[in-house]
Amino acid sequence: AQSVTQLDSQVPVFEEAPVELRCNYSSSVSVYLFWYVQYPNQGLQLLLKYLSGSTLVKGINGFEAEFNKSQTSFHLRKPSVHISDTAEYFCAVFGNEKLTFGTGTRLTIIP
Amino acid sequence: SAVISQKPSRDICQRGTSLTIQCQVDSQVTMMFWYRQQPGQSLTLIATANQGSEATYESGFVIDKFPISRPNLTFSTLTVSNMSPEDSSIYLCSSRLGNTIYFGEGSWLTVV
Repeated sequence: AQSVTQLDSQVPVFEEAPVELRCNYSSSVSVYLFWYVQYPNQGLQLLLKYLSGSTLVKGINGFEAEFNKSQTSFHLRKPSVHISDTAEYFCAVFGNEKLTFGTGTRLTIIP
Repeated sequence: SAVISQKPSRDICQRGTSLTIQCQVDSQVTMMFWYRQQPGQSLTLIATANQGSEATYESGFVIDKFPISRPNLTFSTLTVSNMSPEDSSIYLCSSRLGNTIYFGEGSWLTVV
C-alpha cells in the first residue's frame, strides 16, 4: 500500500515571498512522484514529476521540488509567488499501477 | 503529452437518473483511470480501465453503481447510476502515457 501526507491544508503567503508546500509519502515499492495544481473551477494540471536521477526537479511556473529518499519527502518550492499561484496543490505518488493523492494544500497569496 | 477530453463538462442531474461521462484521449494508451473529487476534497480512484479487460474497482466502488466501458485504446466511459445528491462531484478521467499521468478537465456533476 502507499500513502501521501500533505502536512498543511492551507498556506497563506504574501506576494513575492517564498513558499514551501510539504509532502511526505510511504510505499513498499519504488514510486514516481508528482505535483499537480488545480486552479479554481478547473481540472488538474501537471506541475512537475520525479521519476529518477537528479533529486531536484523543475516544473512549470517557476516551481521546483526536491526528492529526499531518506526522509520520503517531495516538498514543492517557489522562490517568489504571484497572485496567479492561488490554487490547490496536490502531491501524488504512482506505484503498483495506481496514482494516490494527498489531501491537498490550498495556497492563498496575500497582496 | 496527452490531451484528454471529457464530455459533458458540467451537468445538473435529477435524483434517480443515470449519466454517462465520455473520455477521449488523443493517444493510444493502455491504462485509463477514473477519479472522483467530492466538494472540497482530494481525488479518490474509482477504477482502473485497461482495454480488453474488465475494469478494476477500488474499495467502496462497485460496478453496478459505476459501470465502465473501455472499447478501444483511446476511449472510455463512466456511468454514474441511480444518482443521489451524494454523487455530486467532479469526475475526472486520466491516462498513463509513458511515466506520466494526465488528466482531463473533469465533469462537474450536480444532483438535485
